[in-house]
Amino acid sequence: AQSVSQHNHHVILSEAASLELGCNYSYGGTVNLFWYVQYPGQHLQLLLKYFSGDPLVKGIKGFEAEFIKSKFSFNLRKPSVQWSDTAEYFCAVNARYSSASKIIFGSGTRLSIRP
Amino acid sequence: EAQVTQNPRYLITVTGKKLTVTCSQNMNHEYMSWYRQDPGLGLRQIYYSMNVEVTDKGDVPEGYKVSRKEKRNFPLILESPSPNQTSLYFCASSWGPLDENIQYFGAGTRLSVL
Repeated sequence: AQSVSQHNHHVILSEAASLELGCNYSYGGTVNLFWYVQYPGQHLQLLLKYFSGDPLVKGIKGFEAEFIKSKFSFNLRKPSVQWSDTAEYFCAVNARYSSASKIIFGSGTRLSIRP
Repeated sequence: EAQVTQNPRYLITVTGKKLTVTCSQNMNHEYMSWYRQDPGLGLRQIYYSMNVEVTDKGDVPEGYKVSRKEKRNFPLILESPSPNQTSLYFCASSWGPLDENIQYFGAGTRLSVL
């Protein structure tokens, strides 16, 4: 069965620090990968996605993620975080050609930024 | 404005009292899904629909029903709510299959079952 692991449940950083949130998935076939962000009190918004092509994906607000197929990973990065990045971040995986309407979410990583 | 609208945003009810959470999208999307979000568990898919009158179970369908009589609407029905259904619920829609499209989420419905 497919699964998604986000290793860090809660990350606390100071402003301007660099960020890397881990995401690993278990599925041997072709996948689509997503990072969603949920700001306090708001709904989920797409941060970035990988369907195919360049494994280094750039998203909104300066975020990027790198798909490393050999490691089954899709880690999220940002070189310098801001207080407004305080949110919960979800990694998600869709197994292409397996079940087009099923997407598996990780348990989320709460990011707190100290001003 | 393109959006997914859920109602109500907040609901407190008692065990066994039937309730419906509505979801409507104005983007003419074919695919719609319901998720529940629980602390430490992320989002889990309850049901999804690929088109009108076509629905299927997600990962946690027990205790829920859905219907898709019109393309824009996808209500979630709890026939006999129980306290373990206390959760934050999200509706989402997409143009087509998730292997080609991204999802758009509603603002969420926070349900408490006493």
